[in-house]
Amino acid sequence: GAVVSQHPSWVICKSGTSVKIECRSLDFQATTMFWYRQFPKQSLMLMATSNEGSKATYEQGVEKDKFLINHASLTLSTLTVTSAHPEDSSFYICSANLAGNSQETQYFGPGTRLLVL
Amino acid sequence: QKEVEQDPGPLSVPEGAIVSLNCTYSNSAFQYFMWYRQYSRKGPELLMYTYSSGNKEDGRFTAQVDKSSKYISLFIRDSQPSDSATYLCAMIQGAQKLVFGQGTRLTINP
Repeated sequence: GAVVSQHPSWVICKSGTSVKIECRSLDFQATTMFWYRQFPKQSLMLMATSNEGSKATYEQGVEKDKFLINHASLTLSTLTVTSAHPEDSSFYICSANLAGNSQETQYFGPGTRLLVL
Repeated sequence: QKEVEQDPGPLSVPEGAIVSLNCTYSNSAFQYFMWYRQYSRKGPELLMYTYSSGNKEDGRFTAQVDKSSKYISLFIRDSQPSDSATYLCAMIQGAQKLVFGQGTRLTINP
């Protein structure tokens, strides 16, 4: 149980285009979903926390207008990288909490590798 | 100073060896301590989860937390080539966000 999927698993796009990444909890409802970014050989850095039906909370230094997060249901959150640039190339990973559980029980998706040319 | 420090390695050991992975931290308010395993180009997978100080064992894996020293460890017994991955420690305080270490890249040589 507690499976989180992401789509697409990888994407290549041109500079200036927008890319949408989906995160789904497949067999449970997720009150809260988290979006992380991981650069090569570095740790995961939390970008934002999203709760179903409300606005996302962004970490310091993360541009909310550039990284649009929508959490429309208890099983789906989306991250849209708007006007992507080469420096946005990274590994984006989402995680989800089981509804009613505390944050230490986060289940991670397989990640989406974004390459902006 | 980073909140969580973890030696990135790489660490390479022969198959069957006991592996010791460690993290130190500076925030004494951390209460939950996790170890994740991440294979190349994949998301992290939760291995062990410990609340406060003490030991926890699960098969070949043992997690230790020493809050007095702000030091946590993960031991892998009878290591296998399939254990080759990056191991990330993570910790959390109450309802706050997860804070990850940098990750240690481990290779088990057959």
